[in-house]
Amino acid sequence: DAMVIQNPRYQVTQFGKPVTLSCSQTLNHNVMYWYQQKSSQAPKLLFHYYDKDFNNEADTPDNFQSRRPNTSFCFLDIRSPGLGDAAMYLCATSRDQGLQETQYFGPGTRLLVL
Amino acid sequence: KNQVEQSPQSLIILEGKNCTLQCNYTVSPFSNLRWYKQDTGRGPVSLTIMTFSENTKSNGRYTATLDADTKQSSLHITASQLSDSASYICVVWDRLAFGKGNQVVVIP
Repeated sequence: DAMVIQNPRYQVTQFGKPVTLSCSQTLNHNVMYWYQQKSSQAPKLLFHYYDKDFNNEADTPDNFQSRRPNTSFCFLDIRSPGLGDAAMYLCATSRDQGLQETQYFGPGTRLLVL
Repeated sequence: KNQVEQSPQSLIILEGKNCTLQCNYTVSPFSNLRWYKQDTGRGPVSLTIMTFSENTKSNGRYTATLDADTKQSSLHITASQLSDSASYICVVWDRLAFGKGNQVVVIP
């Protein structure tokens, strides 16, 4: 059974047109993460939520925003996608932020910007 | 400079053979190093989690080692299978510092 679900799996948007990526989890985990992974690159953490507390990485562009309306759902909003934002976006969860906590990843949403 | 460097970048091995992937890191101190397997087009899946004090951790045919003195970790795959074809990512958990991955292709 899928535990971390991302929709859609593939998203095509136009340059400058806002887009929202969705992540949901059935694990009731406290922490949810959003990563950006470009081709042949390591995943790059954009931000994460610990419960309702939002933690933004220092180098995450303002163009990227996130919302977590409840425990199960977390959204990634890209306000004005540029060509350089084309990437795989990975959502992950962990029960807590402890040292031995396992991080569970969703299948990712691949974003294409035309 | 990336805090986590992995080598080789890519590797082709015959089914049934063993292989070893390397991870060198500069993050220090740290408490937790992980290896993930990422199939093409999928999210990463955790293979091993090692604390600073552990030297080795196994998960089936996957064995990870850690040498905190030399700041190196390795992932050994025994008797490779076609399903092992994937990218293997080393992560220093405390900093969420990801390596770029070792791309492994297993051929029959």
